[in-house]
Amino acid sequence: LAKTTQPISMDSYEGQEVNITCSHNNIATNDYITWYQQFPSQGPRFIIQGYKTKVTNEVASLFIPADRKSSTLSLPRVSLSDTAVYYCLVGQSGYALNFGKGTSLLVTP
Amino acid sequence: NAGVTQTPKFRVLKTGQSMTLLCAQDMNHEYMYWYRQDPGMGLRLIHYSVGEGTTAKGEVPDGYNVSRLKKQNFLLGLESAAPSQTSVYFCASSFPSTASRQPQHFGDGTRLSIL
Repeated sequence: LAKTTQPISMDSYEGQEVNITCSHNNIATNDYITWYQQFPSQGPRFIIQGYKTKVTNEVASLFIPADRKSSTLSLPRVSLSDTAVYYCLVGQSGYALNFGKGTSLLVTP
Repeated sequence: NAGVTQTPKFRVLKTGQSMTLLCAQDMNHEYMYWYRQDPGMGLRLIHYSVGEGTTAKGEVPDGYNVSRLKKQNFLLGLESAAPSQTSVYFCASSFPSTASRQPQHFGDGTRLSIL
């Protein structure tokens, strides 16, 4: 399993863009990068997944440099409802997941 | 579409009691998982199953047993509950990984307190 490192916490104001970077130096060739979001009292929810370059969906963008040793989750114009814990996961097997402690994002007015 | 349903949502046990947590999914997923989440910690994998009738140990399996008799159900058992098992338990399911990772779908958790 690739080990991931991400900030423990981040703060932002409403309307700002938030970028959360995850380091994964020992990512394997076949590994994908997946981000989940978890609200209090709920289970994690899949946000976005990518292998290389850039992936964008209606919720976020994921930027992956050519060496794939890091990735950045970008949340455009965050709102209060984006306050949550964000997990970066790296791996291939559907069951070998290491969620770690994630990044706790606090959005304030 | 219910997705992943966990039963019960809350439970308080006394040390030494036994209980079973039920997870049911209606998405025809092959893979199912049980995690625990403690305050300030991420999710830790307890056991998982890659198909009906098969189970395997995760990161923290001690004190727990599981069974996958039906594809849609995954049971987590505590034979003799201990205070250290006080936690929030999450069940998840997914399709098998092929060329890409298949995202996991989570239930809303079971909050278990052991006194």
